[in-house]
Amino acid sequence: QVQLQESGPGLVKPSETLSLTCTVSGGSINSFYWSWIRQPAGKGLEWIGRFYNSANTNYNPSLKSRVTMSVDTSKNQFSLKLSSVTAADTAVYYCARYYDSSRSNWFDPWGQGTLVTVSS
Amino acid sequence: DIQMTQSPFSLSASVGDRVTITCRTSQSITSSLNWYQLKPGKAPKLLIHAASNLQSGVPSRFSGSGSGTDFTLTISSLQPEDIATYYCQQSYSLPYTFGQGSNLEIK
Repeated sequence: QVQLQESGPGLVKPSETLSLTCTVSGGSINSFYWSWIRQPAGKGLEWIGRFYNSANTNYNPSLKSRVTMSVDTSKNQFSLKLSSVTAADTAVYYCARYYDSSRSNWFDPWGQGTLVTVSS
Repeated sequence: DIQMTQSPFSLSASVGDRVTITCRTSQSITSSLNWYQLKPGKAPKLLIHAASNLQSGVPSRFSGSGSGTDFTLTISSLQPEDIATYYCQQSYSLPYTFGQGSNLEIK
């Protein structure tokens, strides 16, 4: 059974870069899309982007200029970098596998999420 | 972007009640609609994919229906462990978007 676990600093200063890693266990990271989703406190879920390889990456236009995703197949990990953060980027960040079937697609499984606070 | 309007925002029901949550989209998404259950401190859980397909391992009291722009998540007999926030999500087009969430409480 595939399991995901987010890791990274819980506190980031304004204007700096937020960096998170998602470790995949119980299965290979190859041949799947991987996504990041976030939830600011008291708000709904926001899709950040998905990554398959450098030629198959999609970011939410609202964040595109600041987001970079990548995969390290040797470590079975994928990562998120969000630059020039502000307080508005304070949120619980989730990683998830994006499952793409012939008929539909969905996010499953998800990690437990990690809270990142942007504050000086 | 496809806008998702979910209702109700909050609801309270008794154990054994039938509970219905609706999701409306700003344009037709055929059946490209998923439902998730979120509990604090736990990994979000996929309940329903492609509008009406029950994810493996999810109790059969959960069901989904709808197509086009109107969708429904139904819990046929509410259980205490169903206390959570429920979100719909469209997978029809990028960027993927979610509803605002429906917070379910037990009376």
